[in-house]
Amino acid sequence: DQQVKQNSPSLSVQEGRISILNCDYTNSMFDYFLWYKKYPAEGPTFLISISSIKDKNEDGRFTVFLNKSAKHLSLHIVPSQPGDSAVYFCAATSRGYGNNRLAFGKGNQVVVIP
Amino acid sequence: DAGITQSPRHKVTETGTPVTLRCHQTENHRYMYWYRQDPGHGLRLIHYSYGVKDTDKGEVSDGYSVSRSKTEDFLLTLESATSSQTSVYFCAISDNEKLFFGSGTQLSVL
Repeated sequence: DQQVKQNSPSLSVQEGRISILNCDYTNSMFDYFLWYKKYPAEGPTFLISISSIKDKNEDGRFTVFLNKSAKHLSLHIVPSQPGDSAVYFCAATSRGYGNNRLAFGKGNQVVVIP
Repeated sequence: DAGITQSPRHKVTETGTPVTLRCHQTENHRYMYWYRQDPGHGLRLIHYSYGVKDTDKGEVSDGYSVSRSKTEDFLLTLESATSSQTSVYFCAISDNEKLFFGSGTQLSVL
């Protein structure tokens, strides 16, 4: 059973506007969350993360919000740029596991229209 | 790619043949992982290793085995390849919660 869920498989957004990607999780043991970005024919690359002790983490144009009570997180990209066109994966883990295993969602395809 | 090399990058094989994929790291990270990526499924963990000769199963381990005889190398073996194992395989390494991925191996089983 999938523990990390990303709905709305694809998103198209105009350059300069905001992209919002959503992610839900079911495992209450998860306490660390990550977003990865993937271009075709390349491996996923780490984008941004957030610990469960925070509700927001910002890095340049990327901000991740965490709502623990709703078991929901979102990634905001502002402003969106054509180079942001990629597949974005949400991932989660429990630091208590001690093995750094990440559970991934199915991914969201983002297309930024120039 | 954070010092991770996967080989081969592409492979075509026939059903029933054994296949071994190799992951080599130069970062001396403790943890190494094998994931597969399939449309509609995202990234799914096959096996992982937490040290030399220490490995454990992931969520889709059936039909796969792994070995880690040196810190830097993690091998994934398909003992008898099946068409359902056609996929893109990614190796990853970590020392903490952030995984770093290789460029992937595209495997086609005909």
